[in-house]
Amino acid sequence: DQQVKQNSPSLSVQEGRISILNCDYTNSMFDYFLWYKKYPAEGPTFLISISSIKDKNEDGRFTVFLNKSAKHLSLHIVPSQPGDSAVYFCAAWVPGNMLTFGGGTRLMVKP
Amino acid sequence: DSGVTQTPKHLITATGQRVTLRCSPRSGDLSVYWYQQSLDQGLQFLIQYYNGEERAKGNILERFSAQQFPDLHSELNLSSLELGDSALYFCASSVDRGLNYGYTFGSGTRLTVV
Repeated sequence: DQQVKQNSPSLSVQEGRISILNCDYTNSMFDYFLWYKKYPAEGPTFLISISSIKDKNEDGRFTVFLNKSAKHLSLHIVPSQPGDSAVYFCAAWVPGNMLTFGGGTRLMVKP
Repeated sequence: DSGVTQTPKHLITATGQRVTLRCSPRSGDLSVYWYQQSLDQGLQFLIQYYNGEERAKGNILERFSAQQFPDLHSELNLSSLELGDSALYFCASSVDRGLNYGYTFGSGTRLTVV
């Protein structure tokens, strides 16, 4: 049973445009959500997070939106840059447990 | 360099064999987590240790085992290997049992079973 799902395995956008990566979850106990970025031959690195008590968190070009009623979160990257090309993992956390990851979305930003 | 060290980076072995993957957590981190990433799959949680004790178990096969030593490094042992065990194995560490400071991942061990 996949509690965290990223339904788009890949996404291609033009440099300078907006990238929107989506994530759905089923467990209403999730209290904290994170996005990780992974380049080839490297481990995932933390990108941005959001607490369940918020609906938006912004950090530079990256914004995460949380819609609790829809059990949906999204990551917006504006403007997208070629260096943003990577696999993005959505993750969710229940206090006291480990992170549960989605399947990842491969983002390709074309120059 | 994330501070989490995994060795070896690559491992090729035959079916039926046994291998050991090693992880040294970031300095000061007490929790170690092992994740498996198969081809085009997400990160599947295997097991967590906190300060030497097993804390949580995920979808870890009985052929797999792990431990965390007094110096906090951890080893993941995979035995009776099958072709389907070929994957990237990541170790992550965190300061405590929760998420206060996030997880830091190592660069992974790529296991190929032939």
